[in-house]
Amino acid sequence: KNQVEQSPQSLIILEGKNCTLQCNYTVSPFSNLRWYKQDTGRGPVSLTIMTFSENTKSNGRYTATLDADTKQSSLHITASQLSDSASYICVVTSQAGTALIFGKGTTLSVSS
Amino acid sequence: DTAVSQTPKYLVTQMGNDKSIKCEQNLGHDTMYWYKQDSKKFLKIMFSYNNKELIINETVPNRFSPKSPDKAHLNLHINSLELGDSAVYFCASSQGLAEYNEQFFGPGTRLTVL
Repeated sequence: KNQVEQSPQSLIILEGKNCTLQCNYTVSPFSNLRWYKQDTGRGPVSLTIMTFSENTKSNGRYTATLDADTKQSSLHITASQLSDSASYICVVTSQAGTALIFGKGTTLSVSS
Repeated sequence: DTAVSQTPKYLVTQMGNDKSIKCEQNLGHDTMYWYKQDSKKFLKIMFSYNNKELIINETVPNRFSPKSPDKAHLNLHINSLELGDSAVYFCASSQGLAEYNEQFFGPGTRLTVL
């Protein structure tokens, strides 16, 4: 069964600190993996999209990594800001599928 | 200038009523979607339309009926609303299938069924 698991479920960090969010998936055959940021009361916004041949992709202070062999991805946030407080959702697409498979997200809270 | 817009933003209604949520995108995309996000924040696709034709219809009650009058609009009509329909509904669009292309989401419609 195609699944996407994210950890931790929630995380609290101090402003300025770094953090890493994890995503493990069992989707096969794999097509691409993307990370979304969802602010409270808003729709998700795409941060990165990676195909199986890409190991890392950056978007400002956000860096996503992908290990297609172990079926793991991480999202690293550098020098966190209060505006980074949001839910971060990992989404995986199967080559054989017709839809995206969403993880349940990690809720990040950045405090001052 | 909003790329994907939804109306209304909030919808509170009684059980048994019929309601509609509208979605419009001005990105020129040919594919639109409806998602449901439950209280646990889990997003699940409901419908996908490509060039006004249904291409995904996940297991949702037939009380939910999407309608796409043109490529820029995808409305969601819900009959006989139930308590379990309470959720946030997101519209999204992409050029081509979202599996291979970036997907843009609307701001969501929070539906509360009393």
